[in-house]
Amino acid sequence: SAVISQKPSRDICQRGTSLTIQCQVDSQVTMMFWYRQQPGQSLTLIATANQGSEATYESGFVIDKFPISRPNLTFSTLTVSNMSPEDSSIYLCSVDSGPSTDTQYFGPGTRLTVL
Amino acid sequence: AQTVTQSQPEMSVQEAETVTLSCTYDTSESDYYLFWYKQPPSRQMILVIRQEAYKQQNATENRFSVNFQKAAKSFSLKISDSQLGDAAMYFCASPGGATNKLIFGTGTLLAVQP
Repeated sequence: SAVISQKPSRDICQRGTSLTIQCQVDSQVTMMFWYRQQPGQSLTLIATANQGSEATYESGFVIDKFPISRPNLTFSTLTVSNMSPEDSSIYLCSVDSGPSTDTQYFGPGTRLTVL
Repeated sequence: AQTVTQSQPEMSVQEAETVTLSCTYDTSESDYYLFWYKQPPSRQMILVIRQEAYKQQNATENRFSVNFQKAAKSFSLKISDSQLGDAAMYFCASPGGATNKLIFGTGTLLAVQP
């Protein structure tokens, strides 16, 4: 399985500011995913990021609030913009292992607290 | 809408005993995979086991096995010889349609009693 790292691992931010989360994979992957996990909740997909194309956002998530970049096959960023306390969550990136298994492997997550 | 249901918010098991976590799903896919993930307090999502829906044989990974009932859309996880390190939140996941996305259940918090 791929080795995935995320930066930062945690952060405390003031409302109204923005935070960019980085996701790095040790091998080239086609699909990368960004999830949000609100306190005590399950994972909700924010968007799917493919290299060379715009991210595909799920219902309830918009590009202005969660812009995503995917400059190459090993890296992606998620920005949480104009943050409010409701954005306090764990943000996780994952990668798809390939079309034959549809298995996703996850990074360690970023714990964000917005004051 | 495709859904995943975990009806047990919390479970408890004695060390060395066996516990089964339940999951039901609803998907329109004809060929798909199902997954169980473990999330310890470190928050890392760890793949526990994967089941291919077109295979009748239940998947096993060491102490972890599944009981897959395709017609009933049921996918339970059995943990044998439970260990203290098995204590975590367990999420069941099924395919969410296009783009290979996954739909996650609400999770089952497993406590292991020494």
